Formats: sequence, C-alpha cells, structure tokens
Amino acid sequence: KAGVTQTPRYLIKTRGQQVTLSCSPISGHRSVSWYQQTPGQGLQFLFEYFSETQRNKGNFPGRFSGRQFSNSRSEMNVSTLELGDSALYLCASSSGTSSSYEQYFGPGTRLTVT
Amino acid sequence: TQLLEQSPQFLSIQEGENLTVYCNSSSVFSSLQWYRQEPGEGPVLLVTVVTGGEVKKLKRLTFQFGDARKDSSLHITAAQPGDTGLYLCAGAAGATNKLIFGTGTLLAVQP
Repeated sequence: KAGVTQTPRYLIKTRGQQVTLSCSPISGHRSVSWYQQTPGQGLQFLFEYFSETQRNKGNFPGRFSGRQFSNSRSEMNVSTLELGDSALYLCASSSGTSSSYEQYFGPGTRLTVT
Repeated sequence: TQLLEQSPQFLSIQEGENLTVYCNSSSVFSSLQWYRQEPGEGPVLLVTVVTGGEVKKLKRLTFQFGDARKDSSLHITAAQPGDTGLYLCAGAAGATNKLIFGTGTLLAVQP
C-alpha cells in the first residue's frame, strides 16, 4: 500500500497571506488528522476529519480550517499567516473505526512564514 | 489539560548500550502509541499498547504500558546508530484519533 502523501513538501509564504496544504491518506483509510509541530510546542493536534465531517478539533484559532473530500483526501487552510505559524504540518491517516485508532503519518509540509 | 512528560529529554549513548525512555501522565489513556521521527520526516509508528500492564517486544525494543494506563516505558537493548531519532509517545483518551503527544526524547547513538 502507498503511504500518506503530502504536498507541497516545502512552502515559503509572507505574513498576511493564506496557504492550502494537501494530504492523501492511505487507500481505504477514512480518517485524516492534522498536527502542527514546532520546536517550542512539540506536536499539537489541529483537527480530524472522518467521512467529510470534522470529528475532533484542537485548540487553534479559526484561521486554521480544513475539509475532506469524498475520496478521503484532505486539505488544510491557514489564513492571514503569522510568523508563529512557521512549522512542520503533519497529516495522519487511520481507518477511523473503533477497531483501530493507529495513525500513520505523512512526511509533512514545512511552512516558513517571513 | 492532558500532558505527557517524557524523560530524559536528550540521551547520547555509545553503540551497544541499553537505555530506557519514560512517558508519564496524571491522566488515563485508552491506548498509547510510540513513534520514532527522523529529521525532516513524519513520525513512524512503532507500537500501540492498549491494556494496562501490557508488554510488547519488537526485536530489541520493549514497550510497557503501566497498570493504571497513565505511563509507559520504552527500553532499547544494545542500541545501534540506526536507533538514532526523536522518540515520541502519544496517548488517546477514549475512542478518538485525537492524540496527545509527549514532549519527546532525542536519542543519539554514537558508533
């Protein structure tokens, strides 16, 4: 099976701009979760989508949003970028069923805000 | 707020040595996962433990879930340079994909 893919791998944006990141989960997985990783805060949960619906949400401002398509692919959007949004954004997929909550991560998108 | 504290934060050892990494919390988790992450990559799942007191072995790695499901440990026997990386524990509270990640342990194994 192909793993989780994320595009793009690297992005440089300017403060105030917006950005969209994409994630394709493992085939057959219906749940996609997004995490932000920074040196200071570590890995923090942003949100989870399952069957095109947001199922869980972390403690991030409304500038961070996401969506999931019928093929389980997911996008994450950050509007009005701030310097503090510079981070590695990771997506993780899982089957999302009660039999397994194991998550498999993609390589991440490294976002730099200048 | 659920927190997972890992210790030690940094560990530099020689090839062939043994080590243990600890992951502690005051909260109960329904399951706990261990990951290893290399620079510029996403975390790679090593193991999931779900039962209090459970012990799982993966070649030279031994994982244990505390009886009360609040803590876990990872023991590596005869460490090799290929074990170098950031080790992360992550807990799930209930039937959810929302993982609470630990603070991380950066391991360097010198040849």
